[in-house]
Amino acid sequence: AQTVTQSQPEMSVQEAETVTLSCTYDTSENNYYLFWYKQPPSRQMILVIRQEAYKQQNATENRFSVNFQKAAKSFSLKISDSQLGDTAMYFCAFPRIGGATNKLIFGTGTLLAVQP
Amino acid sequence: SQTIHQWPATLVQPVGSPLSLECTVEGTSNPNLYWYRQAAGRGLQLLFYSVGIGQISSEVPQNLSASRPQDRQFILSSKKLLLSDSGFYLCAWSMGQGFSEAFFGQGTRLTVV
Repeated sequence: AQTVTQSQPEMSVQEAETVTLSCTYDTSENNYYLFWYKQPPSRQMILVIRQEAYKQQNATENRFSVNFQKAAKSFSLKISDSQLGDTAMYFCAFPRIGGATNKLIFGTGTLLAVQP
Repeated sequence: SQTIHQWPATLVQPVGSPLSLECTVEGTSNPNLYWYRQAAGRGLQLLFYSVGIGQISSEVPQNLSASRPQDRQFILSSKKLLLSDSGFYLCAWSMGQGFSEAFFGQGTRLTVV
């Protein structure tokens, strides 16, 4: 079964500091994408970053970067220079393969609070 | 550019009343469409997905149904709402059968009273 696990329900970080959110997944596929989504208090789901499994280089988007460990099936999100606007729920997502299309399945989320 | 519209943003409905939530996508054709539900403080649960007009797949048995009358229109319905149908509903779209990310609407907060 393809699953996504986020083991940190809540985290807190001081403004300007760095924080890492963890995600592990389980799949027998070899080629796939992984995603991090952000859900601020407005509840709009916003794509933060994506990683292609066949690429060894970790993806980076401005202050957001991932540490992708394919063998360990680990996909963590690092937020550098945290800002108050980063306060949100963060979800790791993974496409479940099979059927007519691939369907994103989500972890249970990590609530990140950036403290001033 | 592609956009996704979902409405209404907020809805309060009595138990036993019908439901219709609508979602439309602009700027693309033949998207995959999805309905997710999010309970308070929880993750997203996939309810339905569609790969084409009239093609609906259900992920979980429930009191809801979905329809896709047009290529870029996706509707979530219920004939009689239950209290347990309360939640935050999100429509999303993605491209093709590959490993594409999903893009989400702004969501509908449904409260059944």
